[in-house]
Amino acid sequence: KAGVTQTPRYLIKTRGQQVTLSCSPISGHRSVSWYQQTPGQGLQFLFEYFSETQRNKGNFPGRFSGRQFSNSRSEMNVSTLELGDSALYLCASSSGSWEVRQETQYFGPGTRLLVL
Amino acid sequence: GQQVMQIPQYQHVQEGEDFTTYCNSSTTLSNIQWYKQRPGGHPVFLIQLVKSGEVKKQKRLTFQFGEAKKNSSLHITATQTTDVGTYFCAGPYGGATNKLIFGTGTLLAVQP
Repeated sequence: KAGVTQTPRYLIKTRGQQVTLSCSPISGHRSVSWYQQTPGQGLQFLFEYFSETQRNKGNFPGRFSGRQFSNSRSEMNVSTLELGDSALYLCASSSGSWEVRQETQYFGPGTRLLVL
Repeated sequence: GQQVMQIPQYQHVQEGEDFTTYCNSSTTLSNIQWYKQRPGGHPVFLIQLVKSGEVKKQKRLTFQFGEAKKNSSLHITATQTTDVGTYFCAGPYGGATNKLIFGTGTLLAVQP
């Protein structure tokens, strides 16, 4: 099976701009979670999408949003970029089955965003 | 709020020495997961522990889940240069299965 793919891998933006990142989960996986990784704050949960619905949400401002398509691919959007949004954005996929209480999450390679 | 701390933040060892990282949660966890992230890479799932007091081994790696399900440890015997990376523990936040709260991580450096 192909792994989790994320595009683009690297991105440079300026303050005030917006950005859209894409994640394609492992085939058959229906859950996609997004995380932000920074040296100062570590790995922080953004949100999770399952069957095109946001199922869990972290403590990020409304500038961070996401969506999931019928083929389970997911996008996250950050509007009005700030310098502090510079980070590695990781998505993780899992089967998302409600019957499986302990899920293994498979991470993609990430998108490294630099905001100037 | 719920927090997961790891110690030490950084450990430098000579190849062949043992290494242990400890993970402590402020709340009881339904399960604990361990991930390894190589420099420049992404987290890779290592293992999941579910039961109180559970111990699992993967070759030179030994994982333990505490009796109270609030702490865990990862021990590597006879480190190798391929063990270099940051080791994270993670647990479900508020019981939500796929909403993981990650520990602060332990960066392991191995000198040949």
